[in-house]
Amino acid sequence: QVQLVQSGAEVKKPGASVKVSCKASGYAFTSSGINWVRQAPGQGLEWVGWISPYNGDRDYAQKFQDRVTLTTDTSATTAYMELRSLRSDDTAVYYCARGRQDFHYWGQGTLVTVSS
Amino acid sequence: QLVLTQSPSASASLGASVKLTCTLSSAQSSYAIAWHQQQPEKGPRYLMKLNSDGSHTKGDGIPDRFSGSSSGAERYLTISSLQSEDEADYYCQTWDTGIRVFGGGTKLTVL
Repeated sequence: QVQLVQSGAEVKKPGASVKVSCKASGYAFTSSGINWVRQAPGQGLEWVGWISPYNGDRDYAQKFQDRVTLTTDTSATTAYMELRSLRSDDTAVYYCARGRQDFHYWGQGTLVTVSS
Repeated sequence: QLVLTQSPSASASLGASVKLTCTLSSAQSSYAIAWHQQQPEKGPRYLMKLNSDGSHTKGDGIPDRFSGSSSGAERYLTISSLQSEDEADYYCQTWDTGIRVFGGGTKLTVL
């Protein structure tokens, strides 16, 4: 069965960077893109960006374009999201989700806390 | 501007049916959307892709109680025979070239 397993919770100081991983299994990794979505405490879902493991194509939400980098390691069937220059309002649960346009499978989420 | 509008809350009784609405802007009335469910303290789960003609494709294991329909710029999620575990936040989501967008979500309370 399709599974997306994310790395564990992180605590970072303002100005630091965080890198979250998403290990995919149960399907051909390069056959489907990976989206990243975040959810601040008590808030709704916010799209961060998308990457194609097949050819490396990327789309980024304009809000994050300058601070986020999405990558994949096809040999490890793993996708990564790096967010730089962290601020307190980046505190959120970050999810990976399989798909290009609509998100068929979701990871369990990774809590990133930004606090001094 | 790609915008999805959802009512913040809805409620219905156990065993009844409820219809949630997601509204696209008129310029995007032909767009497909997806519906996602997020139960309390859990991650989101994909329910279905819903096209402008009302045809829909559900995700793995989604019960027949969940169905979708469309009318103009409105997209609907109908849940019949409501169960306690249907109490959740429901998000619609759409896309265009280079962008994906979520609605603000509807919190469904099962009475």
